[in-house]
Parts: sequence; C-alpha cells; structure tokens
Amino acid sequence: GESVGLHLPTLSVQEGDNSIINCAYSNSASDYFIWYKQESGKGPQFIIDIRSNMDKRQGQRVTVLLNKTVKHLSLQIAATQPGDSAVYFCAENRGGSNYKLTFGKGTLLTVNP
Amino acid sequence: DAGVTQSPTHLIKTRGQHVTLRCSPISGHKSVSWYQQVLGQGPQFIFQYYEKEERGRGNFPDRFSARQFPNYSSELNVNALLLGDSALYLCASSAVAGVFQETQYFGPGTRLLVL
Repeated sequence: GESVGLHLPTLSVQEGDNSIINCAYSNSASDYFIWYKQESGKGPQFIIDIRSNMDKRQGQRVTVLLNKTVKHLSLQIAATQPGDSAVYFCAENRGGSNYKLTFGKGTLLTVNP
Repeated sequence: DAGVTQSPTHLIKTRGQHVTLRCSPISGHKSVSWYQQVLGQGPQFIFQYYEKEERGRGNFPDRFSARQFPNYSSELNVNALLLGDSALYLCASSAVAGVFQETQYFGPGTRLLVL
C-alpha cells in the first residue's frame, strides 16, 4: 500500500549548508507560532517560538521569520549538522487560547555528510 | 531536570479493548495536553486539562476521555478501541493555560498498536 510518508515534504542539504523550512498557515487569528523538531521514535522537541507582534526571532543557529501578510512562517538553520536530520513541524495557536496547537504537515530534513 | 514522562512506552491491544495512558508533567507545570499522532502526520489535539478541569477538547469521539489529578499528572482513556486508534499518543505540559501563550513541551509518547 501507499505510505503516507511519501506525502511528507522533504529537504535534503549538505552538512554545513544553511537550511530553510517553510510553513503556510491559514488562520489570520493565529497569534503564536512554534517550531518543533521530531526525531524518529521521539516526541516533538521545542526549537523556537514567535508571537504575532514580531517578524523575526533568533536562537542558537536558528531563526524564525513570520510574514503575516501572506501567512507564512519559515525556519532557518545555519550550518546544518547531521544531528539536525529530523521532521520539522510548525504549530500555530489560534485566537489567543493556549489550549490547542494546530500542527502543519511537517518537513523531513535530511543532512548529508 | 526531568521532562514530561509518559507510560507505557509501547502498548499492544485488540479491537474493543480499553486502554489507559499516563503522563507526568514537568515539575511546576499545571497544564497537560494530549495529542494523537498518526504515522506520517502532525499531532492532532485531543484534550487540555488545567487545574484538574478540561479546558479544551478536539474533534475526537466520546470514547476518548481524560482526567487530571491533584499532582497535575494525567490519564488518557480510550474505550472500545478501533484499528484506527493506532498512533503515537503525546502528552505536553505547559506552565499556564488560557491566560497567555505558554510553550507546550512534549513527552516521548506512548506507541499504541491496535490489532
């Protein structure tokens, strides 16, 4: 049968290159966004978040950009390492209520040594 | 510091059976959320509990229920299991719910297989 994994967007980069993972969201009421990294067999790991009153936020080797005009979010990873290989999810919190995160489809990042 | 812990790590059940999954939040966190993650997809919200009360519920049937205990740990119960309930069940904890945005930190999950 067909594997649902075939529908997962993929990104393959060389070690040391920069990676950019994109995410589109649909709800203009969303006001809080989070990027999670999920390695095989593990739970999602928090990477970085951004609130809707910001356009950019930087962490260690990661930067999140938010474009509210086109409802687009991106995660930039500098100097990508093999340990960065994982599925990356963006999640949005809608309408100011903390009780529900809505996750995107996810992007599989593969870092080639 | 201990993160979110979940038990058991893996579970195999047959159709029609009942299952209970357990979660302990990060120390000091009072809110617990449950998510279902089917293979190849992102997590789907099931419940959030804060101070032992349900604060939100996702689009899941009444076969799914949960509760939170005075020590803020939580149980997710699923009755009359179906094959489609096979998934990774994730628990996430956050410090506060419903007041302002708080980051949700996830546990390793419980892998449930229904045969």
